[in-house]
Amino acid sequence: ETGVTQTPRHLVMGMTNKKSLKCEQHLGHNAMYWYKQSAKKPLELMFVYSLEERVENNSVPSRFSPECPNSSHLFLHLHTLQPEDSALYLCASSPKLRGTGGANYGYTFGSGTRLTVV
Amino acid sequence: GESVGLHLPTLSVQEGDNSIINCAYSNSASDYFIWYKQESGKGPQFIIDIRSNMDKRQGQRVTVLLNKTVKHLSLQIAATQPGDSAVYFCAENTRAGGFKTIFGAGTRLFVKA
Repeated sequence: ETGVTQTPRHLVMGMTNKKSLKCEQHLGHNAMYWYKQSAKKPLELMFVYSLEERVENNSVPSRFSPECPNSSHLFLHLHTLQPEDSALYLCASSPKLRGTGGANYGYTFGSGTRLTVV
Repeated sequence: GESVGLHLPTLSVQEGDNSIINCAYSNSASDYFIWYKQESGKGPQFIIDIRSNMDKRQGQRVTVLLNKTVKHLSLQIAATQPGDSAVYFCAENTRAGGFKTIFGAGTRLFVKA
């Protein structure tokens, strides 16, 4: 266990479905991230939250909707996805937002949700 | 453009040998580098980091070398074990255009028994 828990581990959904991915961290970190991992491609940053405030949205389609109700929980709401959205979705956290106070931090990742859109 | 890349997509080594995984980066404004290990079915796991004011850092069985002159990063694993089989990513933190973390595509390490 890394201290970052993602559920579900696997998800198969149709293009008209609505589902949500959940991430919970027990590390007391202030920053949380959603990444998309596709085969043979580098990790793609989707969203960044710092103390529950969204600070970055990397041109992600509106069919992905993040929610951060508190600094320990992060959700990714999915609706009307496309088959090309099939990927591993990773949640990560860090003590503070990278660059805060000049500091650098590595991430603690969850195990991811393997999403298949059919 | 800014990129972090890996010279070899796969690396196969004999158990007990040393492994060297390489990474090239292009952003001279990067000041912090990290290696992650990702095993099958798991998320990336932090292995070791290095700041740009250093050229070498050692951990348990792992060493990271940073050559800022040629913008090259490497991860050395001593006495490679079957449990080291995984995909290894390098990542750079850069302040160019705002704080960003850029990940490489990854190198898959196979350890032969």
